[in-house]
Amino acid sequence: KAGVTQTPRYLIKTRGQQVTLSCSPISGHRSVSWYQQTPGQGLQFLFEYFSETQRNKGNFPGRFSGRQFSNSRSEMNVSTLELGDSALYLCASSSEGGAQETQYFGPGTRLLVL
Amino acid sequence: KQEVTQIPAALSVPEGENLVLNCSFTDSAIYNLQWFRQDPGKGLTSLLLIQSSQREQTSGRLNASLDKSSGRSTLYIAASQPGDSATYLCAGLMDSNYQLIWGAGTKLIIKP
Repeated sequence: KAGVTQTPRYLIKTRGQQVTLSCSPISGHRSVSWYQQTPGQGLQFLFEYFSETQRNKGNFPGRFSGRQFSNSRSEMNVSTLELGDSALYLCASSSEGGAQETQYFGPGTRLLVL
Repeated sequence: KQEVTQIPAALSVPEGENLVLNCSFTDSAIYNLQWFRQDPGKGLTSLLLIQSSQREQTSGRLNASLDKSSGRSTLYIAASQPGDSATYLCAGLMDSNYQLIWGAGTKLIIKP
């Protein structure tokens, strides 16, 4: 069974631009969660999607948004990029329960904002 | 504020030793406690998940314990190997909002 895939793996943007990251979960998994990892703040929960609905949201500004499609693939979007958005963005999938059960992580998308 | 703390931040031990990584959390109202490893340039791998009603979980050479009353969890690695070198993270899923709160990690180096 293929693992969680994320595209692109690396991205360079400039301040003020917007970016869209994609995550394909393990086949059959319906929950997708997104996390941001930075050297200063560590790992932080962004949001979780289940059956095309946002089920949970972390404490991030509205510039961070996401969506999930009927095939469970998910995208997250960051608008008006700031230097502080430079981070490794990880997505994780699970069968149905999000972080209430074992999650499987993708390799991440490393975003650099200049 | 819910916090998860991991001590030490880094640890270097010779191959073959048994070792313990520590994780403490401020809010005892956790749904579960999870341990992950992260290899450089890669994503996270889930190692063990302990439900709040459980005291420990085991997988191969790994054993994780959970003591909600003291706000502590430990990850015990037996007979360490160089392949165990990685950053180990613990995270607590909070009852209040079902969000994972992460520790900063312990960077483990096993010397051959």
